[in-house]
Amino acid sequence: DVKVTQSSRYLVKRTGEKVFLECVQDMDHENMFWYRQDPGLGLRLIYFSYDVKMKEKGDIPEGYSVSREKKERFSLILESASTNQTSMYLCASSRGQGEFGFGPGTRLTVT
Amino acid sequence: DQQVKQNSPSLSVQEGRISILNCDYTNSMFDYFLWYKKYPAEGPTFLISISSIKDKNEDGRFTVFLNKSAKHLSLHIVPSQPGDSAVYFCAASGVGSARQLTFGSGTQLTVLP
Repeated sequence: DVKVTQSSRYLVKRTGEKVFLECVQDMDHENMFWYRQDPGLGLRLIYFSYDVKMKEKGDIPEGYSVSREKKERFSLILESASTNQTSMYLCASSRGQGEFGFGPGTRLTVT
Repeated sequence: DQQVKQNSPSLSVQEGRISILNCDYTNSMFDYFLWYKKYPAEGPTFLISISSIKDKNEDGRFTVFLNKSAKHLSLHIVPSQPGDSAVYFCAASGVGSARQLTFGSGTQLTVLP
């Protein structure tokens, strides 16, 4: 089974703060992803990476950046948090076109 | 523009009966489809998948049907159990986007005892 862990289950941050969400996978997967889940909108892809130091924009990258310095770790960065970034953030990893393994999610609230 | 659509936000079914969850897609390049199940405060878990070379895949109580001409897939759960109550997401990937999954908006299934 894919094991994907996320650094925090719940976070509360203030508007304008810089926020780091960390994700680690233990399956040596080359692909890693960050999604956000909002009611009625499903899971929307923010950024993904298919190799160390590689990154590609997903459908909603505005206001976010990512970092992948090691194969097992993929970080999502909110440079200046805003209230519309309050959401559930889900990290996932995969090999090739295989099934994704998801982390438990981070519920971020920006006040 | 949503490429994967789940038009029913919610579905209620009696325990023991069949649950049918539907999904439509618009991108003809999609060739691999998956269903994920999500409980509150947890990440989605993989349920079942189907490749476009097949029209049916079965795994225990779960069966996925694919109608390529209609760009439609469905998930059948028989018999439904209260523990199946969750949000179900349809997802797709394909040529040119093989590393990504595009998700639908989800359907909340409630199985009534």
